[in-house]
Amino acid sequence: DAGVTQSPTHLIKTRGQQVTLRCSPISGHKSVSWYQQVLGQGPQFIFQYYEKEERGRGNFPDRFSARQFPNYSSELNVNALLLGDSALYLCASSSGQGGRNQPQHFGDGTRLSIL
Amino acid sequence: GQQVMQIPQYQHVQEGEDFTTYCNSSTTLSNIQWYKQRPGGHPVFLIQLVKSGEVKKQKRLTFQFGEAKKNSSLHITATQTTDVGTYFCCSNDYKLSFGAGTTVTVRA
Repeated sequence: DAGVTQSPTHLIKTRGQQVTLRCSPISGHKSVSWYQQVLGQGPQFIFQYYEKEERGRGNFPDRFSARQFPNYSSELNVNALLLGDSALYLCASSSGQGGRNQPQHFGDGTRLSIL
Repeated sequence: GQQVMQIPQYQHVQEGEDFTTYCNSSTTLSNIQWYKQRPGGHPVFLIQLVKSGEVKKQKRLTFQFGEAKKNSSLHITATQTTDVGTYFCCSNDYKLSFGAGTTVTVRA
């Protein structure tokens, strides 16, 4: 079975631009979460979606938004890009409602570089 | 979220030796999950601990959850080059709260 897939794998943007990152969860998983990982640090939680509804949001500005589609895939959008948005963006899916005691399965991530 | 602190941040180990990484929280945790991230890779789920004092083993890896559910440890015996990577402990209250991790390097 396919794992979590993310696209694109790499992306280069300039300050002020907008970007959309995509994620397809493991088949059967209805919960998708997004994380930002800056080099040398642990992943930081951005959003979680379950059944197309936002269940949680981390401490990120409103420039970050996301949505989940009926097929449980998800998109992360970032507007007005800043140099500090350069990071690895990870998507994770989990079974059930993605609550406590649910392992999360990560994709390979999208490496976003802002020039 | 429930924040966890990990020590040490870096661990340089001689191949064949044992080492332990520790995870601490100021609050009681509902669970602890451990993930491993290889250089250039993504975090991979290793184990989950839920019960007070729980101990689980995976081959050379031993995971422990403290009696007060405020700390956890990962002990690796006979370190191999395949153990290289960053080990994260996380609490999971629907979202993962990662610490900075322990980055392990191995010298042959």
